[in-house]
Amino acid sequence: GENVEQHPSTLSVQEGDSAVIKCTYSDSASNYFPWYKQELGKRPQLIIDIRSNVGEKKDQRIAVTLNKTAKHFSLHITETQPEDSAVYFCAAPWRGYGGSQGNLIFGKGTKLSVKP
Amino acid sequence: DAMVIQNPRYQVTQFGKPVTLSCSQTLNHNVMYWYQQKSSQAPKLLFHYYDKDFNNEADTPDNFQSRRPNTSFCFLDIRSPGLGDAAMYLCATSRVQGEGEKLFFGSGTQLSVL
Repeated sequence: GENVEQHPSTLSVQEGDSAVIKCTYSDSASNYFPWYKQELGKRPQLIIDIRSNVGEKKDQRIAVTLNKTAKHFSLHITETQPEDSAVYFCAAPWRGYGGSQGNLIFGKGTKLSVKP
Repeated sequence: DAMVIQNPRYQVTQFGKPVTLSCSQTLNHNVMYWYQQKSSQAPKLLFHYYDKDFNNEADTPDNFQSRRPNTSFCFLDIRSPGLGDAAMYLCATSRVQGEGEKLFFGSGTQLSVL
């Protein structure tokens, strides 16, 4: 099965600085890695995802990088703003046996605080 | 234009008193999921339906059951809630099941057990 480790658990940055959150996964066959943002009291929302056929994907101030050899992927947020403050979760597909195959296993989350 | 709708937003129940949480979707997705999220923790998958096929995670307690009477609705039944079942319960959908399918979450139901 899949094991997803996420670091750090909390991250505090000044507005305008960059933030990086890292995740490792255990199953080398996993091919899809999404990142979700969850603001306080709200639903998790997909902000960016990457598939294993690319090493990097960008969407404005957000980017995700993937190193399949090392089995880790990272979320990069540049020019952080106070509205980026939230909990961010990485995820990877569960690839064990049975009906759960493909379902997402989430990391424990990173609480990002952006100070104005 | 909410796509995955959960009711109620907040639910209070008593220890041992059965409670049902509901989820509906307007996306016509084949797969519906229930996740449990405790404070400051990651969402944990309890079970999912692919159409009418029910799939229980191995470590989901028997106290939790689910029903999906049609494509649009899915219910989470907690037969005898304990204090440890207090959590946010998130419903999610995906078009089909498989790697790379995006999850669409509802706003969740925050369950308190007194």
